[in-house]
Amino acid sequence: DSGVTQTPKHLITATGQRVTLRCSPRSGDLSVYWYQQSLDQGLQFLIQYYNGEERAKGNILERFSAQQFPDLHSELNLSSLELGDSALYFCASEGLAAGELFFGEGSRLTVL
Amino acid sequence: DAKTTQPNSMESNEEEPVHLPCNHSTISGTDYIHWYRQLPSQGPEYVIHGLTSNVNNRMASLAIAEDRKSSTLILHRATLRDAAVYYCILRANNNAGNMLTFGGGTRLMVKP
Repeated sequence: DSGVTQTPKHLITATGQRVTLRCSPRSGDLSVYWYQQSLDQGLQFLIQYYNGEERAKGNILERFSAQQFPDLHSELNLSSLELGDSALYFCASEGLAAGELFFGEGSRLTVL
Repeated sequence: DAKTTQPNSMESNEEEPVHLPCNHSTISGTDYIHWYRQLPSQGPEYVIHGLTSNVNNRMASLAIAEDRKSSTLILHRATLRDAAVYYCILRANNNAGNMLTFGGGTRLMVKP
């Protein structure tokens, strides 16, 4: 158990819909990272937050957005969903003592 | 980002040592070498990281070439549970806030 909790574990929805994925980092970890893993693209970095502020942005589509709340949990919002958005979405957290990211078990999104 | 090159796949016999190579010829002086692994249906898991000296922990050993252009992850005694995709990643400065860029990794298969 990494200590990082992601909900929901599985989600099935239709094209054009909007979903929200939630991540609770390890207690005290200020950094949260979001990654997308699809079969043909591997693990792609989406976005990172540090103590509520956006720190880095990767290959995140404009239809996607994220935020980190004062209690440090984070949400990834995916809108106008397309078939190609079907993937595993991972959240990871990191403490002040850098060096190790702790990944959650992921949220599997299926868009039909 | 400095890139890494790993074999797509490797095979090992159970209870034998495994040496997973990684080339990173464009590594910069402040890049740390990180290894993560991803077991089937799970999120990535930290294995080990280092800068210049060889490193050991309970999971594995990391041997870093003197010129730092290559490294080898060593699993001393492979078990069936070690079957996973192993990722070699360069991380700038090892500061919290520097995301990990995953490549294709090496798929390790362990035969009983």
